[in-house]
Amino acid sequence: QSVLTQPPSVSGAPGQRVTISCTGSSSNIGAGYDVHWYQHLPGTAPKLLIYGNSNRPSGVPDRFSGSKSGTSASLAITGLQAEDEADYYCQSYDSSLSGLYVFGTGTKVTVL
Amino acid sequence: QVQLQESGPGLVKPSETLSLTCTVSGGSISTYSWSWIRQPPGKGLEWIGYFYYSGSTNYNPSLKSRVTISVDTSKNQFSLKLTSVTAADTAVYYCAREEGSYYSGWGQGTLVTVSS
Repeated sequence: QSVLTQPPSVSGAPGQRVTISCTGSSSNIGAGYDVHWYQHLPGTAPKLLIYGNSNRPSGVPDRFSGSKSGTSASLAITGLQAEDEADYYCQSYDSSLSGLYVFGTGTKVTVL
Repeated sequence: QVQLQESGPGLVKPSETLSLTCTVSGGSISTYSWSWIRQPPGKGLEWIGYFYYSGSTNYNPSLKSRVTISVDTSKNQFSLKLTSVTAADTAVYYCAREEGSYYSGWGQGTLVTVSS
C-alpha cells in the first residue's frame, strides 16, 4: 500500500556519498506535509534519522541530511561507513484517505 | 529515554483475533500518540493506527473494520486487537510513539504468524 516510492537499492564505497529519493504526490509530500526518515536493521527497532524534512535528532551523525522539494524528498549519506548498511524508509502523511500515515517502499543501502 | 516492548502470541489461527500489548517505560503514556505499525515478510512498513492521549483514535482505512487500539494508563501499556486474521496479516508488529507526525521511539518488533 506504499504511496511513497523509493529505489529498491543503492550502493557505494566507503567514504562516498549516496542519496535516496522518496517520490510522492500532491496528497502527501506535495501538499506540504513533512517527510521523516528511518534507518532499519532487520531484527531491531527502526531508528529515527531525520524528522521534519531536514532535522536530525540528537545523536544522529551529521553525515545524514534530508531535503524536500515539490512532491519529492531525499536522504543523503556522506562519508559512507560500513555501519550504514541497512534499510531506509521515508514517511509522511497522506490526506487522500481520511488521514493516513504512509511509508516509502524502502531502500537497501549496501556498502561495497 | 522512552522504551517500548511488544508482547503477545507469536502464532494465531486464521479467523481468530490477534492481540498484542506494548509496555512503555521511561515516559508516561498519558502524552503523545501511540501507534502500531507492521511489516509483512519481504515487504515495507504499513501504518495500522494510533491512539491519541486525549482519547481519539485513527486507523488505516484498509484495516479499520478489524482494528481496535486501546490504552491502559494504569499499566502504562497500549494494545492492538485485529480480528478475523488471515495469512496476509502475518508480519512483524511494531509499537511506536508518535511525536508530531514522526515516530521518535519504537519497540523491537514481534513476529506474528497466522497459520492453522
